[in-house]
Formats: sequence, structure tokens, C-alpha cells
Amino acid sequence: EIVLTQSPATLSLSPGERATLSCRASQSVSTYLAWYQQKPGQAPRLLIYEVSNRATGIPARFSGSGSGTDFTLTISSLEPEDFAVYYCQQRSNWPLPTFGGGTKVDIK
Amino acid sequence: QVQLVQSGAEVKKPGASVKVSCKTSGYDFTSYDVNWVRQATGQGLEWMGWMNPHSGNTGYAQKFQGRVTMTRNTSITTAYMELSSLRSEDTAVYYCARVSAMTGDAFDIWGQGTMVTVSS
Repeated sequence: EIVLTQSPATLSLSPGERATLSCRASQSVSTYLAWYQQKPGQAPRLLIYEVSNRATGIPARFSGSGSGTDFTLTISSLEPEDFAVYYCQQRSNWPLPTFGGGTKVDIK
Repeated sequence: QVQLVQSGAEVKKPGASVKVSCKTSGYDFTSYDVNWVRQATGQGLEWMGWMNPHSGNTGYAQKFQGRVTMTRNTSITTAYMELSSLRSEDTAVYYCARVSAMTGDAFDIWGQGTMVTVSS
């Protein structure tokens, strides 16, 4: 099983600041890395797929990068609606996808 | 538009079974795998398994082997997840999610979630 480790667990920032979230895999996941946003009481929403492709309707302030085992989700300038929990997910060894433990972005 | 609408909350006793439905609409049901993911309160996301609605083929996470069954009814474009021998640790929100090759097999559309509470 590929283990995804997200850091930090919590990121306290102010609106307008830049957020940088990390996801590290226990072995290479090639380009099969996605990011999701989850707000309280809601289902997760796909933000980024295949490392750097924004899903439909996702604002340009969200970007993904990385390769192999190290990946980053960047939110260039936090909007009030961006405060949420973010999960990375791999499907490199389908059919055994796994999720990271999540990073909570909260208001400083 | 593309939607996955799940059945309502359930309360079950330990040892019982629960069957959650996921009604799909707005796309060709048989062309996209449906996966199930659960989330205990305050915890992360845990993948349970997948089902191909066209063939009915399934694959389950080892943790749930022998306890979970994923099925479908193509005539009403609905997927189901049944979990048996429930225990308190199964208390969680259960989500169905569509997998799309167009998004690198990521989970592109999710149901709203179904709360399952296991309590005596």
C-alpha cells in the first residue's frame, strides 16, 4: 500500500496570503496524484488531477506541482471560501487508491 | 447535470447490515466506475472499493473483504453498497464517487454522503 503523508496538519493563514501544502508518497506515484477540498458537512470536491490539471470550475489561484513522491498544492491568494481541509490522493497502484491524512487551512 | 444522490441516514445495531444507495443521473451510468469512500467523524477519507456498473465487477479494500458487497441496478442507474456485521467503528459518513478517465481516474463527482450510526 502506498502511504501519503501530508504536511503540515494545520496551516493558519490570513486571507490574501499564499498557502503551500505538501503531500509525500512512500513510493513513486508517477502522475496519478489528485487534490480534494472538503468543507464541514460537505463531500470532498476535486480540485486538481494528474498533479497539475485543474478540474472544471476550479479557480486559477489553485495550482498543483511535483513528481514522483513529492507534491505541492498552492493557493496563491487565500479567499474566505478556501478555508477548508485538503486531501491528496493517489491511484498509481489501482485498484488500491489511498488518501493522505489531510491538511486543515484555517483562519489566523 | 451530473449528480449522485444517496439514500438517507441510517441507525443500526451492532451485528446488523446496512445498504446505502447512490442514484446517478446526467451521464451514462455504465461508462464510469463507482467507488465508495467513508469518513469517520473528524477523521480522514478511507477508500472501501470499486464497482464497474457495466460488468458488475468489483474490487474491495482488504480491510472490508468479506463484509462489503457493491452492486448495481442498471435499469435505474443506481449503485449500492452493503456492509454487514456492523460494529461501532463503522459509524461514519459513506460516500459514493464517480471515477473518470478524463480526470486521470480521480473521483470527479461525489454523492452528498450517508451517515451510518452503529449503536446498541
